[in-house]
Amino acid sequence: GAGVSQSPSNKVTEKGKDVELRCDPISGHTALYWYRQRLGQGLEFLIYFQGNSAPDKSGLPSDRFSAERTGESVSTLTIQRTQQEDSAVYLCASSLSSLGGGFTEAFFGQGTRLTVV
Amino acid sequence: AQSVTQLGSHVSVSEGALVLLRCNYSSSVPPYLFWYVQYPNQGLQLLLKYTSAATLVKGINGFEAEFKKSETSFHLTKPSAHMSDAAEYFCAVIHWGDDKIIFGKGTRLHILP
Repeated sequence: GAGVSQSPSNKVTEKGKDVELRCDPISGHTALYWYRQRLGQGLEFLIYFQGNSAPDKSGLPSDRFSAERTGESVSTLTIQRTQQEDSAVYLCASSLSSLGGGFTEAFFGQGTRLTVV
Repeated sequence: AQSVTQLGSHVSVSEGALVLLRCNYSSSVPPYLFWYVQYPNQGLQLLLKYTSAATLVKGINGFEAEFKKSETSFHLTKPSAHMSDAAEYFCAVIHWGDDKIIFGKGTRLHILP
């Protein structure tokens, strides 16, 4: 696609429910990132994919958080048993890396605003 | 390992004054460096990038940054601030070990009338 697409753009969920956030990266981009941004805060790194593997999962805050990427394309971030502190904007970005034969900057989606009530 | 440090989580400048946002990097090899901007309630967009060509890089909206190897710096400047420049600015570097782009903590720029 022309840009990084995230869905849904907004999600309101009840505490304790599971949610899935989706990211469609730019076609051909080998690297994919997930970040969390709480209100008025900077970027909190969650996970990084290189192709379908995740060499860096160090940012996932708890075992309630998981992510996968299939076909070197779409990625889903799943939050189980959501808590109020999970409320934030979840940003996805993609870029070309050496795996894809070159480097580009990261291109960001517009984010998913998650509200846990 | 490559990393970036942004000095000052908040910077305030008067409209029309010089904007200077500081970024220092840590890298034992030539880095690729980026500045991003995030306007209120929007996603991040690229302002400019350094990829080992010219050391003075010009970006959008009148911003520029100079790569100074001797100072390990990549500071962002704009000669005259405008109210529309109020935003969060992020410096970033590519970590060559695993090709991951690493972001600084961000600097929020406030423009005073």
